[in-house]
Amino acid sequence: GEDVEQSLFLSVREGDSSVINCTYTDSSSTYLYWYKQEPGAGLQLLTYIFSNMDMKQDQRLTVLLNKKDKHLSLRIADTQTGDSAIYFCAESYDKIIFGKGTRLHILP
Amino acid sequence: DAGVIQSPRHEVTEMGQEVTLRCKPISGHNSLFWYRQTMMRGLELLIYFNNNVPIDDSGMPEDRFSAKMPNASFSTLKIQPSEPRDSAVYFCASSLGTDRSGYTFGSGTRLTVV
Repeated sequence: GEDVEQSLFLSVREGDSSVINCTYTDSSSTYLYWYKQEPGAGLQLLTYIFSNMDMKQDQRLTVLLNKKDKHLSLRIADTQTGDSAIYFCAESYDKIIFGKGTRLHILP
Repeated sequence: DAGVIQSPRHEVTEMGQEVTLRCKPISGHNSLFWYRQTMMRGLELLIYFNNNVPIDDSGMPEDRFSAKMPNASFSTLKIQPSEPRDSAVYFCASSLGTDRSGYTFGSGTRLTVV
């Protein structure tokens, strides 16, 4: 069945790079997504990648996709306090399936 | 566009009462999704509609939960009777069917059943 796995917590020092990892099971997924959820808010789409791409870069964000291993990662360069949030990995074929989210904590 | 609008933002109710959550999707979006978020289970898809028709309700926990979409601009999620284990944040999201750039989420309704 469909399943998306990601670690629950990550602590990173301000200014360092954050790397959030995710694995998924559905090889027929067409799009993979990263969403951000700030406290008390809904999920906000950060970026997405089509399944035939290896990498996508958007300012401080870099998404890497290893389709063979079904592994997706999100790298945030120069992590700032405003990046503190829960980050959700998601895959889609006919509907979007979300992981449980990784809570990113920024250390001063 | 004002985005996906959910109401109320917070709801506190007593066990056994009926609860109705409301959602207005983004104008022009033809798919609507109801999710439930808890610490234990994360984000669960309850039901989704396409062109106002329910497509997949396999995530609806039990018969106490029902959802309707009478027109393209409004949907409700009803719990009757409510139980303490229904306490969660309920999100509505919408998308344009052919738009692969993901869903737009509302701010959620935090439901507490006491």
